[in-house]
Amino acid sequence: GEDVEQSLFLSVREGDSSVINCTYTDSSSTYLYWYKQEPGAGLQLLTYIFSNMDMKQDQRLTVLLNKKDKHLSLRIADTQTGDSAIYFCAEITGAGSYQLTFGKGTKLSVIP
Amino acid sequence: DAGVIQSPRHEVTEMGQEVTLRCKPISGHDYLFWYRQTMMRGLELLIYFNNNVPIDDSGMPEDRFSAKMPNASFSTLKIQPSEPRDSAVYFCASRAGGGNEQFFGPGTRLTVL
Repeated sequence: GEDVEQSLFLSVREGDSSVINCTYTDSSSTYLYWYKQEPGAGLQLLTYIFSNMDMKQDQRLTVLLNKKDKHLSLRIADTQTGDSAIYFCAEITGAGSYQLTFGKGTKLSVIP
Repeated sequence: DAGVIQSPRHEVTEMGQEVTLRCKPISGHDYLFWYRQTMMRGLELLIYFNNNVPIDDSGMPEDRFSAKMPNASFSTLKIQPSEPRDSAVYFCASRAGGGNEQFFGPGTRLTVL
């Protein structure tokens, strides 16, 4: 079955790097996503990675994928107070599937 | 593009009343999704449409919930009768058929008293 797990909370100091981790159970995952949700807002797509990639970098964001361990991480370099939000990991499984399965989200708190 | 548009943003109603949530997907997107977000259960997919046709409604909690998509630019999610346990944030999202990205609306916060 499909299950996506994330730790619930992470606290970092402004300027440090943040690493948010996610594990998933379905080895047939094709795409894995990171979304950001600020208070009272919808989900904003940050980045995604195809399952045949190990890493993807986009400005301050680095996504690492370990397919063997079914582990996905999001690293935010030089974390700012504006990065405080809930970060959701999500997967799509199976060719032709359009259904996203989300983790419960990790609340990132940035300490000034 | 204005993104996915949802209305109302907030809805407070009394138990037993009918509630209708509305969504306008991004123009040209042929997939539309309805999600519900609660503290206990996180984000759950309720139903999704492709070219206005419901494809999978297995996430719809019970018969009190119904969703329609009469045309490519409009969808509704209706709860009748509403119950306090339906209180949640309901998100609509859309996606282009050939794309990999699903875009979310701002959500409707529903409170059923």
